[in-house]
Amino acid sequence: QLQLQESGPGLVKPSETLSLTCTVSGGSISGSSYYWGWIRQPPGKGLEWIGSIYYSGSTYYNPSLKSRVTISVDTSKNQFSLKLNSVTAADTALYYCASAPWGKLTWFDPWGQGTLVTVSS
Amino acid sequence: EIVMTQSPATLSVSPGERATLSCRASQSVGSNLAWYQQKPGQAPRLLIYGASTRATGIPARFSGSGSGTEFTLTISSLQSEDFAVYYCQQYNNWPLTFGQGTRLEIK
Repeated sequence: QLQLQESGPGLVKPSETLSLTCTVSGGSISGSSYYWGWIRQPPGKGLEWIGSIYYSGSTYYNPSLKSRVTISVDTSKNQFSLKLNSVTAADTALYYCASAPWGKLTWFDPWGQGTLVTVSS
Repeated sequence: EIVMTQSPATLSVSPGERATLSCRASQSVGSNLAWYQQKPGQAPRLLIYGASTRATGIPARFSGSGSGTEFTLTISSLQSEDFAVYYCQQYNNWPLTFGQGTRLEIK
């Protein structure tokens, strides 16, 4: 059974770079039809898709964040990562990683438990 | 960008009754629509994909319908564990977008 776990700093200073890693267990990140995504949720608010990646490195980003986002994959560690630069308080959110099991345009299942990142000096 | 609008924002229903949640897309998404349930302190859980296909392990009291721009999630007989926030998501076009959520609360 596929499981995902986010990790990374819970506090980031304004203007710096947010960096998170998602570790996949119970399956290979190189699974043929799987994409891998990042989604965030500001406290008390709804869900926003950040971007998705295939094990080959192909990426798709939300245009609203594209200029600041980089998603990468490390197949040797069965991990994928998120970098968001020039963060502000508006980037404070629960960040989820998730599996996209049926290609690039698809739903997400399962999700990691989420990690709270606070942007504050 | 396709805007997903859910209604109502909050729905109050008694246990054992039926709940009907709506999701509207700003343009057609075909049947490329998923529903998620989120409980406090938990990650979203996939309920429905393809507008009407239940995900693995989801009880039969959950059903989805619709296509194009109008979608419905129906919970036929509410159990205590069903009170949560529900989100729809379209995956027909980039960027992937979610509705703002419907909070289902106990009446």
